[in-house]
Amino acid sequence: AQSVTQLDSQVPVFEEAPVELRCNYSSSVSVYLFWYVQYPNQGLQLLLKYLSGSTLVESINGFEAEFNKSQTSFHLRKPSVHISDTAEYFCAVSGRGFNKFYFGSGTKLNVKP
Amino acid sequence: DTAVSQTPKYLVTQMGNDKSIKCEQNLGHDTMYWYKQDSKKFLKIMFSYNNKELIINETVPNRFSPKSPDKAHLNLHINSLELGDSAVYFCASSPTGTEDDSYTFGSGTRLTVV
Repeated sequence: AQSVTQLDSQVPVFEEAPVELRCNYSSSVSVYLFWYVQYPNQGLQLLLKYLSGSTLVESINGFEAEFNKSQTSFHLRKPSVHISDTAEYFCAVSGRGFNKFYFGSGTKLNVKP
Repeated sequence: DTAVSQTPKYLVTQMGNDKSIKCEQNLGHDTMYWYKQDSKKFLKIMFSYNNKELIINETVPNRFSPKSPDKAHLNLHINSLELGDSAVYFCASSPTGTEDDSYTFGSGTRLTVV
């Protein structure tokens, strides 16, 4: 079975500062990894995903995540955050075979002016 | 146009009641899901349907029964509601249901059982 650990429940950061949201996973098989973002009172939206190929994946709004197989990690980073990035971020791993996601407990990113 | 829509958005009801949550997707996806997000924000899959066929049925009380009249709809019926059922329920869909698919989520139904 797969599992996901997000070590930080909350990350406060000032606007324009860099940020890293940590995600570690556990799996006995190859995995696909995802980051989703949830804005207040909304559903989750896909931010980026790693399926294969380059271990560094990027989103359209400046986030990036790097798949590190040896450390079983998929940390999310942004070099300079904006107020509008304030949201909850969920890391997820998909199970083998039929699509079933295992989500982490989420990290609340709070960007302060 | 809302891709995955759930109704109602909020639902407050008494213990023991029976309630339904509806979900519809207009993306042409083959697979639909129900997830439960508890008060600590943990998201856990409950059910998954592929072309109206039940594929995933996690350890969920029998009081929860999904129904998929067609591949664009997946409704969730809950009998004899309990306090512990209070949560946000998310419907989602994905194109094929394979392991590399990404989901499109609805905006959630906040269920409060009093």
